[in-house]
Amino acid sequence: GDSVTQMEGPVTLSEEAFLTINCTYTATGYPSLFWYVQYPGEGLQLLLKATKADDKGSNKGFEATYRKETTSFHLEKGSVQVSDSAVYFCALSEAAGNKLTFGGGTRVLVKP
Amino acid sequence: DTGVSQDPRHKITKRGQNVTFRCDPISEHNRLYWYRQTLGQGPEFLTYFQNEAQLEKSRLLSDRFSAERPKGSFSTLEIQRTEQGDSAMYLCASSLGQRSDGYTFGSGTRLTVV
Repeated sequence: GDSVTQMEGPVTLSEEAFLTINCTYTATGYPSLFWYVQYPGEGLQLLLKATKADDKGSNKGFEATYRKETTSFHLEKGSVQVSDSAVYFCALSEAAGNKLTFGGGTRVLVKP
Repeated sequence: DTGVSQDPRHKITKRGQNVTFRCDPISEHNRLYWYRQTLGQGPEFLTYFQNEAQLEKSRLLSDRFSAERPKGSFSTLEIQRTEQGDSAMYLCASSLGQRSDGYTFGSGTRLTVV
């Protein structure tokens, strides 16, 4: 079945540091890939998405590129802020476009 | 567009009691999903509806769980004879059902079974 594996946290960074969160997936078809973010006390929010190989999703300074050859969708941000402290979830949706399969989440803490 | 609403936000119940949660999706969204999230884990799929039809149920959804979406609008998730292992955040999401769309999630209902 489908699965998503992402690096375990917590990841602790200083402000303006570079952030990478690794995500790899297993799927039978050609899934769409997503990153969701959960800020403290809030619900899940879509951060960015990519629907086919080599697509790059971007939002709020975050980027992720759909790499079919390595089945990866790593999240990056060049200069993090304290406000980026949150839990980040990688997810996929199969071609049928129904349910999402999530990774376990990575907690990121950015210190001033 | 007021987003996806879930009620209640928190529910504490005694083991063995029945509980029911409600989800109001974004009005033009035809697909509605239920997920469960335990502490420190990613959300796990439970079930989804397209309009009023329940199209898929996870093996996680035991016979104590039932979900309905009677008129293709709001949905309810009922858990009968609750167990401590049912304690979790129950998330509802809605979408237009296209492969490239993200889902809009509600803030969830946190269930604690004591």
